[in-house]
Amino acid sequence: DGGITQSPKYLFRKEGQNVTLSCEQNLNHDAMYWYRQDPGQGLRLIYYSQIVNDFQKGDIAEGYSVSREKKESFPLTVTSAQKNPTAFYLCASSQTGGIGNTIYFGEGSWLTVV
Amino acid sequence: AQKVTQAQTEISVVEKEDVTLDCVYETRDTTYYLFWYKQPPSGELVFLIRRNSFDEQNEISGRYSWNFQKSTSSFNFTITASQVVDSAVYFCALIPTGTASKLTFGTGTRLQVTL
Repeated sequence: DGGITQSPKYLFRKEGQNVTLSCEQNLNHDAMYWYRQDPGQGLRLIYYSQIVNDFQKGDIAEGYSVSREKKESFPLTVTSAQKNPTAFYLCASSQTGGIGNTIYFGEGSWLTVV
Repeated sequence: AQKVTQAQTEISVVEKEDVTLDCVYETRDTTYYLFWYKQPPSGELVFLIRRNSFDEQNEISGRYSWNFQKSTSSFNFTITASQVVDSAVYFCALIPTGTASKLTFGTGTRLQVTL
């Protein structure tokens, strides 16, 4: 099946730990994105990548890091510097990073800090 | 800066009722795209429609229809004869020119359809 796969679905983190959320797509899309969703709010962009080995900060990049070593993969690391990491994280992709491309989303990952 | 407003936080209807979800946007760009997504309880955002700023034709897809009016900067979504499976959070989103497909989302409208 073609699509975007995120793992794990649920993740618990102790304070002070870094965690990495996986995102893989087999749609042959050039652009990939990470969004964060908090209860009752819309999605906010963390990082995006328009091409392999390149990525840019979104609106709320502080405390997060990403890499784009392969076209199909765009992992997100939530570092200990992120002060309020408990949230729902959505990975997405689009054919290219150009305007108007439809952005498709994965099923999301719930991160809880305990 | 761009902004998307979904003033209706939550709507409850009885099955078979029609319901309209409002979306008002702000952007200085003359070229932009508008989207609607559905987020069921499972969490995944499901793409519903994309509309560019030069195409003001209304669109109908089954029980779904969209009314795009540039004069009022609105892109409203109507579900006809609602069903329980329509229960979800619906998001309106905007991509203006030059933002590299960076979606600006509204805060969403939670639709609850009951029997």
